[in-house]
Amino acid sequence: EAQVTQNPRYLITVTGKKLTVTCSQNMNHEYMSWYRQDPGLGLRQIYYSMNVEVTDKGDVPEGYKVSRKEKRNFPLILESPSPNQTSLYFCASSRDRNIQYFGAGTRLSVL
Amino acid sequence: SQKIEQNSEALNIQEGKTATLTCNYTNYSPAYLQWYRQDPGRGPVFLLLIRENEKEKRKERLKVTFDTTLKQSLFHITASQPADSATYLCAPWRDDKIIFGKGTRLHILP
Repeated sequence: EAQVTQNPRYLITVTGKKLTVTCSQNMNHEYMSWYRQDPGLGLRQIYYSMNVEVTDKGDVPEGYKVSRKEKRNFPLILESPSPNQTSLYFCASSRDRNIQYFGAGTRLSVL
Repeated sequence: SQKIEQNSEALNIQEGKTATLTCNYTNYSPAYLQWYRQDPGRGPVFLLLIRENEKEKRKERLKVTFDTTLKQSLFHITASQPADSATYLCAPWRDDKIIFGKGTRLHILP
C-alpha cells in the first residue's frame, strides 16, 4: 500500500531535549516536505527536499533541521525544542512537486 | 505578500443540498490550484486539481471552478452527505511553491 509513515504519532518532551521525527515513503517520490499545523494559522511549510541531499527552507524553518540521505526518508530534527514548537506536524511526499500525499501526523508537546 | 482566504466561519449545509466553498487569493497568479480534505487529527487528502487554463473540473459529486480574473476558486459538493463533513483546504501552486489556505469547516446536517 502506498503510504507516508511518520513516527512517533504522539510525543511529549521537555524544553531542550533533542528529538527526531521520522518520515518514510514507499512511493519512490522525489519531493518531500514537512509542515506544521496550528489553530488559526493553517498548514505552514517548514522544510522541503527536491531530491537526495537537496533541501531548502520553507516558510517557518527556525528551530528545525532536516536531512535527506536516502530517497525514502526525510527526518525532522528539533535540536533544542521549545514550547512554541508544540504543534501538529505532517510529512508529505510528491512525485512531481504537485499532489501531496500526507502522513498521519505527529502531535508534539514541548513542556 | 501572497494571501489565501477561505470562509473562516464553519459552513452548515442540509443533507442533500449543494455545498459551495470559496477560495480567494491575492498577489498571486497560481498555475494551478488543488483542493484537499482534512478530517480531525488526520493528514490532508488530495481531492482535485485544476489548471489555470481550465474553467471547471469534475469528479463524481465534486466540482471545482477556477476564475483567474476574479482570483477565485469555488468547490462544490452536490447531493451532500453527513460523511462529507470535514475541513476543506485550497492550495494554489506556482513556481514549485504551494501555499495552503486555512480551510473551511463543513458540517452536513442530517
